[in-house]
Amino acid sequence: DIQMTQSPSSLSASVGDRVTITCRASQGISNYLAWYQQKPGRVPNVLIYAASTLQSGVPSRFSGSGSGTDFTLTISSLQPEDVATYYCQKYNSAPFTFGPGTKVDIK
Amino acid sequence: QVQLVQSGAEVKKPGASVKVSCKASGYTFIRYYMHWVRQAPGQGLEWMGIIDPSGGSTSYAQMLQGRVTMTRDTSTTTVYMELSSLTSDDTAVYYCARGGSYRSFISWFDPWGQGTLVTVSS
Repeated sequence: DIQMTQSPSSLSASVGDRVTITCRASQGISNYLAWYQQKPGRVPNVLIYAASTLQSGVPSRFSGSGSGTDFTLTISSLQPEDVATYYCQKYNSAPFTFGPGTKVDIK
Repeated sequence: QVQLVQSGAEVKKPGASVKVSCKASGYTFIRYYMHWVRQAPGQGLEWMGIIDPSGGSTSYAQMLQGRVTMTRDTSTTTVYMELSSLTSDDTAVYYCARGGSYRSFISWFDPWGQGTLVTVSS
């Protein structure tokens, strides 16, 4: 099975900072990658799919890039409401594995 | 609007089974695959399996094989996830989430149900 890793596991940044989270697949998955945001106590919500396509309604400060094995989620200007855990997920085939998550909070 | 509404919280004893339901509305039920995902307290997301509501075929995560069963009732547009031989390690929030359409199961998950807390305790 393909394994998904993320780095860092957590980060603390100031409001307005640019934040980058990395996701790596153990084998190539083309662009079949999604990013989810899970705020504390809430249900996960998709932010980005197909590695770089922004889900409708998601603020444009979120962006995704990458293909194959290496992917990036960027928040261009961190806002207080972005405090959450972010997960990447491969969805090209079963098992639909999630990365371990990156917890983002405000410094 | 597309909505997934799950059954309420459960408390089970070790060795028992639990069955969680997920009622879908706002779209053509048989046209979209459904997934189940669980999240243990303070932990990440674990994919459990997928069901095709049209024909009922399933695929399960390897580590749950033999303990998990996913079914559907097309008359009530509801999918079910049953997990047997429960241990404390199965204490988690269980989510259903809609996946790809009948053309392809290859898709991200959207939307998700509100989650069902299953607590396993003696």
